[in-house]
Amino acid sequence: ELKVEQNPLFLSMQEGKNYTIYCNYSTTSDRLYWYRQDPGKSLESLFVLLSNGAVKQEGRLMASLDTKARLSTLHITAAVHDLSATYFCAVVPFGNEKLTFGTGTRLTIIP
Amino acid sequence: DAGVIQSPRHEVTEMGQEVTLRCKPISGHDYLFWYRQTMMRGLELLIYFNNNVPIDDSGMPEDRFSAKMPNASFSTLKIQPSEPRDSAVYFCASSPLPGQAYGYTFGSGTRLTVV
Repeated sequence: ELKVEQNPLFLSMQEGKNYTIYCNYSTTSDRLYWYRQDPGKSLESLFVLLSNGAVKQEGRLMASLDTKARLSTLHITAAVHDLSATYFCAVVPFGNEKLTFGTGTRLTIIP
Repeated sequence: DAGVIQSPRHEVTEMGQEVTLRCKPISGHDYLFWYRQTMMRGLELLIYFNNNVPIDDSGMPEDRFSAKMPNASFSTLKIQPSEPRDSAVYFCASSPLPGQAYGYTFGSGTRLTVV
């Protein structure tokens, strides 16, 4: 059974600081997705990573994928309050289309 | 593009009643997914369809849960009888071609409360 683990589960950081969220998964895959969820809202797609070494950037967020290490990272640069949300990674294993989510990281940016 | 449309947004029902959740995927999307989100268990995949055919329902918790997709533009998730532990947010998502550079688009969700 595919397991997707994120750490940390909770992250409180000051505005202007940098930090990284980690996503580890337990089976072979070359498709990894990052989503954002605000309280009481749906999931918003942030990044689609489809190959080893893929790197995507949007504003203060940058995501990367290392399929050999089964690891993805979401890096936050110079955090601002608007980035406060819960971030999920999700993985699709080879052979099926079961998008499996990690536990989520609740990010709080403190002014 | 109206996105993935779910109804109702909120549902409060009594234990033992039948509940039906509805989803309209994005036109042209071949895959449809039902997820459940709770604080304790996170986001769980319940079932997914490809071209209206159920492909994997291993995440459906019990026989009380059933899902159908009678055509490409409509799917239902039914719980009968409902129990308090079914209280959760249920999301529907659709995707055109998983494996390509497309993500999975989620609906707004249905918040179900069983009392």
